Amino acid sequence: EVQLLESGGGLVQPGGSLRLSCAASGFTFTNYAISWVRQAPGRGLEWVSSVSGSGESTYYADSVKGRFTISRDNSKNTLYLQMNSLRAEDTAVYYCAKDWDNTGYPSSFDYWGQGTLVTVSS
Amino acid sequence: EIVMTQSPATLSVSPGERVTLSCRASQSISTNLAWYQQKPGQSPRLLIYGASTRATGIPARFSGSGSGTEFTLTISSLQSEDLAVYYCQQYNNWPPRFTFGLGTKLDLK
Repeated sequence: EVQLLESGGGLVQPGGSLRLSCAASGFTFTNYAISWVRQAPGRGLEWVSSVSGSGESTYYADSVKGRFTISRDNSKNTLYLQMNSLRAEDTAVYYCAKDWDNTGYPSSFDYWGQGTLVTVSS
Repeated sequence: EIVMTQSPATLSVSPGERVTLSCRASQSISTNLAWYQQKPGQSPRLLIYGASTRATGIPARFSGSGSGTEFTLTISSLQSEDLAVYYCQQYNNWPPRFTFGLGTKLDLK
């Protein structure tokens, strides 16, 4: 059974940093791109970042480029999102999501974690 | 950025009804489109990818169609458990700049 379990969310002040983790199980982790997608309270879905299966290629939304860094440790089946210079508008539930196909490159997402809430506020 | 426009924003429906949701892309995305269902307090669930391919375990009453800029998600006979928000997502850009529509909420008439 595929499982994705996010952790690391919490309350942080504007300008602060936070590191999210996503522990994966139930599939061959290195074969799949994994992404972060966020959802502000009461709002829709926003793609944040993706990383290829090998970890060599990373992709970012313009809204987070230069502030967020996605990475993965394939030996630990874990995905990360390092978030720096956080802003109030980064407040959201952050989901990690597995790609549906095993090309290793992102497209659409067939399994999602339960999400972790990040609140940026003073 | 490719803008995805969903209509209507809200649709009041009855069980057994045939329901059609629309999604329009601001430029051609071929068939690089997915549909998701999200119920309150839950994570999104993939319904359709490649514009028309049902994901694993998705009931046959859900179908997708379209290509280019116009797409449709159809629920052939609405069940009460289908009341949710539905999002479309394009994944046509390379390098990825994926975008979602704002969603269509199905509620009970």
